Amino acid sequence: RKEVEQDPGPFNVPEGATVAFNCTYSNSASQSFFWYRQDCRKEPKLLMSVYSSGNEDGRFTAQLNRASQYISLLIRDSKLSDSATYLCVVTLDSSASKIIFGSGTRLSIRP
Amino acid sequence: GAVVSQHPSWVICKSGTSVKIECRSLDFQATTMFWYRQFPKQSLMLMATSNEGSKATYEQGVEKDKFLINHASLTLSTLTVTSAHPEDSSFYICSARKGTGGGQPQHFGDGTRLSIL
Repeated sequence: RKEVEQDPGPFNVPEGATVAFNCTYSNSASQSFFWYRQDCRKEPKLLMSVYSSGNEDGRFTAQLNRASQYISLLIRDSKLSDSATYLCVVTLDSSASKIIFGSGTRLSIRP
Repeated sequence: GAVVSQHPSWVICKSGTSVKIECRSLDFQATTMFWYRQFPKQSLMLMATSNEGSKATYEQGVEKDKFLINHASLTLSTLTVTSAHPEDSSFYICSARKGTGGGQPQHFGDGTRLSIL
């Protein structure tokens, strides 16, 4: 089993729709969680950290479920510019020396 | 603005050439930087952890003599792909954290697209 798993997609949704995807992790001792977005042929860019209490940044909401060992990302009122690959990132220790990337979920927003 | 700068962004060279890629942290000191490689439509794969003033820690399967890492200062790490071959063609990305502790996210350089002919 992979340490961090994501549905590769692609998710193809119309502009304005709400879309959500999850990321599961296998190590219960995982410390920190992040969502990054990566555009084609570009470097990953931090979208948001994920906190135990859940957090929201504009149209984006991230949640962590430690009991079931997954994190989620919800995008409301999706825009064409949201089309990208979304990477789930998990760190396994407090020094973040062990960082695991999910393989990414491709999202495509259509007009 | 960018917090990690990577150079060059694109390299095309002949087989057998050695290629050096620089990764700089801007406005902050990074005792640890990370080097990744990403093949098309695949996830980032950690190659090595670069430690300032000491030897890099390589992931399993990554040849340390092939991928030389030097972290000579708190703001600069370099990755040298020695005697590059076509199978080394890939997207190489470095990252660094602005602070200490696992809660700090990684900030990535722009990446270097390496094409070996």
